[in-house]
Amino acid sequence: EAGVAQSPRYKIIEKRQSVAFWCNPISGHATLYWYQQILGQGPKLLIQFQNNGVVDDSQLPKDRFSAERLKGVDSTLKIQPAKLEDSAVYLCASSLLGQGATEAFFGQGTRLTVV
Amino acid sequence: GNSVTQMEGPVTLSEEAFLTINCTYTATGYPSLFWYVQYPGEGLQLLLKATKADDKGSNKGFEATYRKETTSFHLEKGSVQVSDSAVYFCALIAGGTSYGKLTFGQGTILTVHP
Repeated sequence: EAGVAQSPRYKIIEKRQSVAFWCNPISGHATLYWYQQILGQGPKLLIQFQNNGVVDDSQLPKDRFSAERLKGVDSTLKIQPAKLEDSAVYLCASSLLGQGATEAFFGQGTRLTVV
Repeated sequence: GNSVTQMEGPVTLSEEAFLTINCTYTATGYPSLFWYVQYPGEGLQLLLKATKADDKGSNKGFEATYRKETTSFHLEKGSVQVSDSAVYFCALIAGGTSYGKLTFGQGTILTVHP
């Protein structure tokens, strides 16, 4: 079974530029998550989709971050404009159902460096 | 709010030593508790979980018991191997309408020397 795919693996941009990350979840998984992991910290949820609807985006900085999940499958996360503090690993995860103790499967992440 | 606190790290051990990584939590309702592991160059993987008080999760020789009275979920292994070197994250999903959202601790780096 294929896992969660993310691209690119690495990205370096200058501050005030824009960047986009792509995620393809495990086939059949209704729930998709984007987490931000700053160096030395645990991942923090940015946004959660159930199919193509947003369930939780309370921690998403909406003035610069946006995300969409077209047709309830792939998802993109965009930052525009980027700030230095956005340097982090962006993790995509998916699960069958976004409830209770359902296991979430994580991709390898995209490491973003903003200079 | 919900939060997870892990012991200060990193942790360095010799092969076959006993491992404990402490984890305590604060949560609304009755959370489910997890340990995730991140091996070098790989994504986060579920190591074990427990969904109610006094449950013990176990996998690959690792164990953790859900202690409601002390709000803890400490990770233990009797004899570590070099291949266990990784970053370990304690996490929870709060009870109620949390929709599967994971709240993570800050992670503990484990290095095991031969």
